Amino acid sequence: GQQLNQSPQSMFIQEGEDVSMNCTSSSIFNTWLWYKQDPGEGPVLLIALYKAGELTSNGRLTAQFGITRKDSFLNISASIPSDVGIYFCAGQRYAGNNRKLIWGLGTSLAVNP
Amino acid sequence: GAVVSQHPSRVICKSGTSVKIECRSLDFQATTMFWYRQFPKQSLMLMATSNEGSKATYEQGVEKDKFLINHASLTLSTLTVTSAHPEDSSFYICSARGTALTDTQYFGPGTRLTVL
Repeated sequence: GQQLNQSPQSMFIQEGEDVSMNCTSSSIFNTWLWYKQDPGEGPVLLIALYKAGELTSNGRLTAQFGITRKDSFLNISASIPSDVGIYFCAGQRYAGNNRKLIWGLGTSLAVNP
Repeated sequence: GAVVSQHPSRVICKSGTSVKIECRSLDFQATTMFWYRQFPKQSLMLMATSNEGSKATYEQGVEKDKFLINHASLTLSTLTVTSAHPEDSSFYICSARGTALTDTQYFGPGTRLTVL
């Protein structure tokens, strides 16, 4: 099935550094979502974006819904060890197909204390 | 808000037996619930979508007779893996979504199934 292009695939950074990851698609979405998944757990919603150009923050996390509605990025500022995990982007359309989520392949983040 | 629970969190069963996994939305009504399967180091793979009171819609390649889904109420959906085999061992995750157009999916903590 369709998947989003998410990059980078993995990152290994020092504590305190900023992180940036993004997702792109060949088609438009009505909603962009960012989830974090810890090992052995289900994904947890971090940020939901509903409007093209929207910039939303959640603590040290900031995400933007691209103007073209075909991309989104997630930034994490001043990373800490508990930021470790896999980050997934997902796109959703309002019409048709039960409004299924289309997923990126994930960005695995490792933080060196 | 938007809490989804799953039970059991882990299950080990013998080959040939059936296993039922429950998914509950605890603080909202979920007209739609989704069942996913996830292999190690991979993204989530949608298996089926269930709407309360109607038959589930299965994704291509997912056997509906093997993975039975029941969405009997606005807060409960169940996935039954029938006649489980070792290749069915996986991490199964459910999600639930409310009724508004902008409602998004909230996920359960997942169920680790191991078939011996």
